[in-house]
Amino acid sequence: DVQLVESGGGLVKPGGSLRLSCAASGLTFEKAWMTWVRQAPGMGPEWIGHIKSNVDDNGTTDYAAPVKGRFTISRDDSKNMVYLQMNSLRAEDTAVYYCTYTVRWGQGTQVTVSS
Amino acid sequence: DIVMTQSPVSLAVSLGERATINCKSSRSVFFSSNNRNYLAWYQQKPGQAPKLLMYWASSRESRVPDRFIGSGSGTDFTLTIRDLQAEDVAVYYCQQYYSAPWTFGQGTKIEIK
Repeated sequence: DVQLVESGGGLVKPGGSLRLSCAASGLTFEKAWMTWVRQAPGMGPEWIGHIKSNVDDNGTTDYAAPVKGRFTISRDDSKNMVYLQMNSLRAEDTAVYYCTYTVRWGQGTQVTVSS
Repeated sequence: DIVMTQSPVSLAVSLGERATINCKSSRSVFFSSNNRNYLAWYQQKPGQAPKLLMYWASSRESRVPDRFIGSGSGTDFTLTIRDLQAEDVAVYYCQQYYSAPWTFGQGTKIEIK
């Protein structure tokens, strides 16, 4: 079974940075496109970006407009890990962040941006 | 981007009755080369992560009760909950994973009448 475990969330001040991690198992990780989705309080889920396979797709990344230029997704195939580096955080980035592989989701990690 | 339109926004159903949620995509999410619709349904209870119910529009995730039925193809999809139980109270989302950015319906809140 696919298992995805996120970590690294917490409270950060506006303008600050945070790095989320996702440990993946139960999949052929080096071929997997990995996606980050977030859900703000009281809202529906929102796709924020993905990283394609290094093997097949050169590890290309794509981002949603609200996070482009501030967030960076990376991966380490040797460790089956995917990361979300979040810079210049804003109050509106407050959400639960989920690591996903197709329709398989982790349990999420809370990020709160507040002074 | 593919826009997902879900209806109704909320639904009150008596225990044991049927609940029907509709989801319409602005473009087809059917991939003819593998004959699959890239459409998933999730159930979300307060304070919990979304739980996968259905994928490929009509394939039920393991351990999901068979009273949950997904149907539809192309641009129009339905999630039917037969014999509604108290534990089915939740918000339900449809999601297309046909093309990035993945997009979600607005959610349907199911309550007991």
